[in-house]
Amino acid sequence: EAQVTQNPRYLITVTGKKLTVTCSQNMNHEYMSWYRQDPGLGLRQIYYSMNVEVTDKGDVPEGYKVSRKEKRNFPLILESPSPNQTSLYFCASGTGYEQFFGPGTRLTVL
Amino acid sequence: DQQVKQNSPSLSVQEGRISILNCDYTNSMFDYFLWYKKYPAEGPTFLISISSIKDKNEDGRFTVFLNKSAKHLSLHIVPSQPGDSAVYFCAAPTGANNLFFGTGTRLTVIP
Repeated sequence: EAQVTQNPRYLITVTGKKLTVTCSQNMNHEYMSWYRQDPGLGLRQIYYSMNVEVTDKGDVPEGYKVSRKEKRNFPLILESPSPNQTSLYFCASGTGYEQFFGPGTRLTVL
Repeated sequence: DQQVKQNSPSLSVQEGRISILNCDYTNSMFDYFLWYKKYPAEGPTFLISISSIKDKNEDGRFTVFLNKSAKHLSLHIVPSQPGDSAVYFCAAPTGANNLFFGTGTRLTVIP
């Protein structure tokens, strides 16, 4: 089954404790990206990757890091999470304009 | 700067009637638009799209209309079904497959 998977689905953490949200796709897509969804703001892009070892900032990259060492994986790293990073995060992959989204990771930073 | 706007946060419609969801955009360089549907606890899923060379695209019960002069697009669902209850996002890509999303409209179809 073609899919984008994210782990964990839910995470509660404390300020400053480094965390990683994993994302994996099995569709051999070159393009992957991360979004966050906040009430009243829709989905905003954090980072994207056009291919292995190629990443670039989206609209809201501050406080986040990504890496793309393999085509299928695109982890999102929060080195020092803060409460304003409490949000619902989605990973996506695709070709062309249509993107396939993972199920989301709800992160709470206390 | 919200380049894609959905001014109605919610919409309720009776089953069997038409649902019309609206979206406005400010960037005249956008040449392609997409609608995504999102159920609770799931990621958005692609629904329908339209290129700026068209003013209408239809897929079953779903039709998207594009009015370039008004920078406005709308999604029509006819007839609406309870399973259509979801949040709908319009989106526009800008280079490198990056998508600008609207804030979403929550559609509730009342049985």
